[in-house]
Amino acid sequence: DTAVSQTPKYLVTQMGNDKSIKCEQNLGHDTMYWYKQDSKKFLKIMFSYNNKELIINETVPNRFSPKSPDKAHLNLHINSLELGDSAVYFCASGTPKNNEKLFFGSGTQLSVL
Amino acid sequence: GDSVTQMEGPVTLSEEAFLTINCTYTATGYPSLFWYVQYPGEGLQLLLKATKADDKGSNKGFEATYRKETTSFHLEKGSVQVSDSAVYFCALTTGYSTLTFGKGTMLLVSP
Repeated sequence: DTAVSQTPKYLVTQMGNDKSIKCEQNLGHDTMYWYKQDSKKFLKIMFSYNNKELIINETVPNRFSPKSPDKAHLNLHINSLELGDSAVYFCASGTPKNNEKLFFGSGTQLSVL
Repeated sequence: GDSVTQMEGPVTLSEEAFLTINCTYTATGYPSLFWYVQYPGEGLQLLLKATKADDKGSNKGFEATYRKETTSFHLEKGSVQVSDSAVYFCALTTGYSTLTFGKGTMLLVSP
């Protein structure tokens, strides 16, 4: 069974559309994250949730809204997509006491045309 | 704040060559240090770690030693394989803080 799974793997859409990326972890972790990786492979944290509560919200446009219905899920909704949103988005999970070992999903390649 | 600096890539090597990817850090307190690897089309996965000065992390033939005096955690492998081609990320955390990643170094190994 996949530990951290995110869907879809590829997402191609037009500017101005609204889209969602889903993430689920079956590891029993308390904390989940969203990272954005640009074309140069630079990895930047966007959000972190601990037990359904937002604990990290980096400087991210408010068009990005995370939703955590339970501690096993952290979805990312993006409104009014822009060209600059094109990137690979990674979901990850870990535990506060052992958060150095993060488990990553395989990524969602978002292409905004 | 905490930061991690890695050598820029890509690093291009022939199979069986010796690999070094440099990593230096700036942190308050005593961080734990990590190397993560990202194979093509996949998410990051932990390669090795070291939690205190002079510790050596090792896995799959890769090694890195936590050098407090030089604030470094360089990744080495004696003989690389084509299958080692990936992006390597150095990272640190202090206590309960979120991981701070370097910008990643792409390694390309040719037969």
